[in-house]
Amino acid sequence: AQKITQTQPGMFVQEKEAVTLDCTYDTSDQSYGLFWYKQPSSGEMIFLIYQGSYDEQNATEGRYSLNFQKARKSANLVISASQLGDSAMYFCAMRGEDSGAGSYQLTFGKGTKLSVIP
Amino acid sequence: GAVVSQHPSRVICKSGTSVKIECRSLDFQATTMFWYRQFPKQSLMLMATSNEGSKATYEQGVEKDKFLINHASLTLSTLTVTSAHPEDSSFYICSAGGFSPLHFGNGTRLTVT
Repeated sequence: AQKITQTQPGMFVQEKEAVTLDCTYDTSDQSYGLFWYKQPSSGEMIFLIYQGSYDEQNATEGRYSLNFQKARKSANLVISASQLGDSAMYFCAMRGEDSGAGSYQLTFGKGTKLSVIP
Repeated sequence: GAVVSQHPSRVICKSGTSVKIECRSLDFQATTMFWYRQFPKQSLMLMATSNEGSKATYEQGVEKDKFLINHASLTLSTLTVTSAHPEDSSFYICSAGGFSPLHFGNGTRLTVT
């Protein structure tokens, strides 16, 4: 079984500052993938960034980076230079990949609501 | 642009009626699609895995007779909420994708009066 824990129900950040959203996970799979999604108030799920368990480098996508610490089972999302449009719910998710192409379903954390203050 | 299209985005229905929600993959074939349910201010809970050409796999606690899933083609899966009741009011969202980041539809907000 897989489990994702996001311990921050809500976070505030000043515009243009950086913010870290925490995510820890638990899995028995040797190979797995970690994802971050953004969900604005409109409801759509926007894919932000992916980290594979065997990737040696931390993933980066523009202003998003993933601080992957495998030994600590953490996959924190760092958003640099926050913008007002970053205000949203952020979900950490994982997918076990030991079963190969047989299972693509994601397990989600409870989410963190980020509010960017002007 | 969107790679997964979900329709309708919002629906209001009367108690006892059925509602069909469509999920389409736009520029790829999806042998597997997923249906999630999200209550206000909560996370996404997987309801079922929709498999093209075969029966859906439902998560524990999800009534398969209430939430009918049909994956008749490689680009379309439908979720039908049968005999809807107010407690079925929720946000339903589908996802599709292969061994790559899953793409989500924009979701359907169902309100049962």
